[in-house]
Amino acid sequence: DTGVSQNPRHKITKRGQNVTFRCDPISEHNRLYWYRQTLGQGPEFLTYFQNEAQLEKSRLLSDRFSAERPKGSFSTLEIQRTEQGDSAMYLCASSASRTGNQETQYFGPGTRLLVL
Amino acid sequence: QQQVKQSPQSLIVQKGGISIINCAYENTAFDYFPWYQQFPGKGPALLIAIRPDVSEKKEGRFTISFNKSAKQFSLHIMDSQPGDSATYFCAASAHTGGFKTIFGAGTRLFVKA
Repeated sequence: DTGVSQNPRHKITKRGQNVTFRCDPISEHNRLYWYRQTLGQGPEFLTYFQNEAQLEKSRLLSDRFSAERPKGSFSTLEIQRTEQGDSAMYLCASSASRTGNQETQYFGPGTRLLVL
Repeated sequence: QQQVKQSPQSLIVQKGGISIINCAYENTAFDYFPWYQQFPGKGPALLIAIRPDVSEKKEGRFTISFNKSAKQFSLHIMDSQPGDSATYFCAASAHTGGFKTIFGAGTRLFVKA
């Protein structure tokens, strides 16, 4: 396994359209996190899953955002009715609580979203 | 209380010099303090991390110094190289919070050859 993968890497969309991003974590990592990073800032936590359960959502995650991890493996992040303020890099990270090392998160390359 | 404050915002160091980046936190529930390195267009990569029960951790040219009473920690990059030019983020997380990570705003490091 070569690490966390995210698709697509880049997405350009028009305001009002819906977009969906996918994250494939490292195999057997049972925790998966989503972060958002705007230019010149550090990543901001959005939500995280342990297996298929979504355990916490940030206030940043408005009702236009929804995340799923249906079988405890890959995850999707959907943004409905995109706004220009949604333009950012969306990062996914995974970690493995089963092996005991819960703290270390491995990040994917991110999906860069541009809303026109 | 969830913030992690990082300074400086940018840093220019001569090749071979020492780069020092400082961070401060408020939430005493934090129990894991990683540093990440990020190159343009890439995701953050874990560089080194420390838990609050130790005051220093060294891995190669990278050292974290941790002051629990002051709620501060810093990254020292010894013998800085042009390849170290990147953005560095300090961060903090807590096992009670599912290790969701709170990041500092980042320091853009440029190492002059």
